[in-house]
Amino acid sequence: AQSVTQPDIHITVSEGASLELRCNYSYGATPYLFWYVQSPGQGLQLLLKYFSGDTLVQGIKGFEAEFKRSQSSFNLRKPSVHWSDAAEYFCAVGANTGFQKLVFGTGTRLLVSP
Amino acid sequence: KAGVTQTPRYLIKTRGQQVTLSCSPISGHRSVSWYQQTPGQGLQFLFEYFSETQRNKGNFPGRFSGRQFSNSRSEMNVSTLELGDSALYLCASSPTQAINEKLFFGSGTQLSVL
Repeated sequence: AQSVTQPDIHITVSEGASLELRCNYSYGATPYLFWYVQSPGQGLQLLLKYFSGDTLVQGIKGFEAEFKRSQSSFNLRKPSVHWSDAAEYFCAVGANTGFQKLVFGTGTRLLVSP
Repeated sequence: KAGVTQTPRYLIKTRGQQVTLSCSPISGHRSVSWYQQTPGQGLQFLFEYFSETQRNKGNFPGRFSGRQFSNSRSEMNVSTLELGDSALYLCASSPTQAINEKLFFGSGTQLSVL
């Protein structure tokens, strides 16, 4: 069974500073990995996804993530954070089982200070 | 194109009652998934439907049920409500049931059980 760990519950970053959110997954085969963002009172929006190929994937809003199989990680990065990036970020893993079920991490809440 | 619509937005029920939540997917989307989001458990997979068939179900008691109609609209029902059922219920849709599809989430139905 798949599982996801997001070790940081909260992270505070100054506006303009770089950001890295950590995600570790557990899955025996090649995982399907996703990062979603949730703003207060809203549903989730897909930032990026990884299935195969280039291990550095680009997403929307200037985000990128790097898949590292040896570390079972899929960390999300952004070079310069904007105040509007304050939200909750979820890493998720899926399996190539013919189903669309995702297993989500517990989320990291990003606070952006001026 | 309209997004995923969930109704009602807020719901207050008392223990023992039952509730029905509705989800209208994006036009043309045939796959609908449901997730329960709580502060303690995070996002938990409930159901996955495609072409009126339940394809997968999460680890929830039989009080949780759902269905999908021929127009891809979906409903989920919770009977004999318990306090622990208080949560944000999120619906997501996608064109197909493939794991690599982007999921489009609605804003959710916030259920409070008193």
